[in-house]
Amino acid sequence: AQSVAQPEDQVNVAEGNPLTVKCTYSVSGNPYLFWYVQYPNRGLQFLLKYITGDNLVKGSYGFEAEFNKSQTSFHLKKPSALVSDSALYFCAGPSGENAGNNRKLIWGLGTSLAVNP
Amino acid sequence: EPEVTQTPSHQVTQMGQEVILRCVPISNHLYFYWYRQILGQKVEFLVSFYNNEISEKSEIFDDQFSVERPDGSNFTLKIRSTKLEDSAMYFCASGRDRGRNTEAFFGQGTRLTVV
Repeated sequence: AQSVAQPEDQVNVAEGNPLTVKCTYSVSGNPYLFWYVQYPNRGLQFLLKYITGDNLVKGSYGFEAEFNKSQTSFHLKKPSALVSDSALYFCAGPSGENAGNNRKLIWGLGTSLAVNP
Repeated sequence: EPEVTQTPSHQVTQMGQEVILRCVPISNHLYFYWYRQILGQKVEFLVSFYNNEISEKSEIFDDQFSVERPDGSNFTLKIRSTKLEDSAMYFCASGRDRGRNTEAFFGQGTRLTVV
């Protein structure tokens, strides 16, 4: 079965330090993977995506993610965290055989990132 | 910057009542979606909509649910007879196309509380 997992409920990091939010996946075929962020009282905002090509994907707000096929991971990273990065982060991937043609994504549970000043 | 807007932000309704959740997708988008997230659980796909018809729906989207694009700008989700377990955050999303490499743009969500 297709699945996306975020093993950490919460990540705490000091401002200025690098951050990593983890995501692992189990999908058949070539995966395509997304990261979305949800700030308080806001909708889910697209951050970045992996389709094919370079394993290191750069996205909005200085975030990047590395697709690692051997470890089936797509961890979100940022070299230097900001307090304003504090939010809920979701990893998402395809849900099944028709996922290439529709938005039937499956989602991780989300990871709450807290960046402390 | 264009965005998807949803109203209301919070709706409280009695069990058995009908609710309509409203969404205004981004104007040049053609594909529309509803997702929901029950508190503490994963975001779940409900339905996708294109060219004035449902293109795909999940098992959750039973006969109690319906969607409509009544006037070319709004996209609504109706729940005919709400149940306690319908309490969730409902997200509307829209996209330019449905291809696998296209991201969706989400609204801020409507928190539905059924009492």
